[in-house]
Amino acid sequence: SAVISQKPSRDICQRGTSLTIQCQVDSQVTMMFWYRQQPGQSLTLIATANQGSEATYESGFVIDKFPISRPNLTFSTLTVSNMSPEDSSIYLCSVMDREDSPLHFGNGTRLTVT
Amino acid sequence: GQNIDQPTEMTATEGAIVQINCTYQTSGFNGLFWYQQHAGEAPTFLSYNVLDGLEEKGRFSSFLSRSKGYSYLLLKELQMKDSASYLCAVRFRWGGGADGLTFGKGTHLIIQP
Repeated sequence: SAVISQKPSRDICQRGTSLTIQCQVDSQVTMMFWYRQQPGQSLTLIATANQGSEATYESGFVIDKFPISRPNLTFSTLTVSNMSPEDSSIYLCSVMDREDSPLHFGNGTRLTVT
Repeated sequence: GQNIDQPTEMTATEGAIVQINCTYQTSGFNGLFWYQQHAGEAPTFLSYNVLDGLEEKGRFSSFLSRSKGYSYLLLKELQMKDSASYLCAVRFRWGGGADGLTFGKGTHLIIQP
């Protein structure tokens, strides 16, 4: 399966600032997704990162708050904008090698907003 | 919409067998996954079922019944390291042909000596 490198692994940020999380895959993958996992909760899909076009956002998530880029088939970024303490969470990049393959995860970014 | 239910917490004894159930309601069903997640770590893939029946992989097995919207993960010969959260996830196909993955809230499994 693909090797997924996500950075930063953790960060502590001030309210009102923005953080960009990078996800690099060692091979071209069909699909890339961004998930959020709040403390003690399961994973919630934020959006699908589409190569060369705007991301597809799930209900409750908007582009102004979580802009996503995917310039090619191996790289994507997620920005958490104008952060508040409620954004404190683990953010996970995930990929599918092919349409019929499992979803694999990066190690996640643990974000704390103060 | 998508809805996935699994027990919040289960306790089992080292060396024993435990079955974690998952029920789902979804449109466009296109497969069911089980993931293991240790505290502070990312989920890791355990199993995948797209057709009815049992898939066995070492100490872990997963079963699917599409007509009943039901799956279970069976863990045998439990070890202390199996203490983790187990996530049931359903893949569904959107109208545009793309696949999404929805996760249940996870079952926290506690293994006792």
